[in-house]
Amino acid sequence: GESVGLHLPTLSVQEGDNSIINCAYSNSASDYFIWYKQESGKGPQFIIDIRSNMDKRQGQRVTVLLNKTVKHLSLQIAATQPGDSAVYFCAEIQPPTSYDKVIFGPGTSLSVIP
Amino acid sequence: DSGVTQTPKHLITATGQRVTLRCSPRSGDLSVYWYQQSLDQGLQFLIQYYNGEERAKGNILERFSAQQFPDLHSELNLSSLELGDSALYFCASSVASTAQNEQFFGPGTRLTVL
Repeated sequence: GESVGLHLPTLSVQEGDNSIINCAYSNSASDYFIWYKQESGKGPQFIIDIRSNMDKRQGQRVTVLLNKTVKHLSLQIAATQPGDSAVYFCAEIQPPTSYDKVIFGPGTSLSVIP
Repeated sequence: DSGVTQTPKHLITATGQRVTLRCSPRSGDLSVYWYQQSLDQGLQFLIQYYNGEERAKGNILERFSAQQFPDLHSELNLSSLELGDSALYFCASSVASTAQNEQFFGPGTRLTVL
């Protein structure tokens, strides 16, 4: 039969604007979260992480927000550049911080319009 | 370039066959992780080795096995291949064994089962 691919949400932003990518996670017991960037033809690349005892963490041009009440994670990219075009996905890791239960989100495709 | 190397880059084989994928971690990294990325299931964690020992096990089929050798390179063996095994297989490495250590992904091996 025909296989159905993941239908990735797509976000298109103008160069220089801010981007917000969202992720809903599944397990309220998850205590560590990672955002990855995957460019076409390449492996995933770590962007930023956050632990469940934090609500916000900032990196270079990126900010991750964690809302444990609604099990929601967001990645904000400031002054989006063409090089930011990629698929972004989140990962949730459950205690005792063993990796066997890691769950990856399906991803969001970010397209930057020059 | 992440420093993680994977061979081969592409592999085309037939159903029922067996293949071996190889991964060399970054210099100094003791942990190796294997992932499968398919169109319909996204990124899934398969298995982790740390300094030669299995550390965590994810959604790895019984037809699949892996090992990490004394020189820390790792191999993923896929046997009795099925059409649904067609996917990108990524290897990643990190310094330590816990999830909070940043993982560096290789470029992947694209497996096509005909």
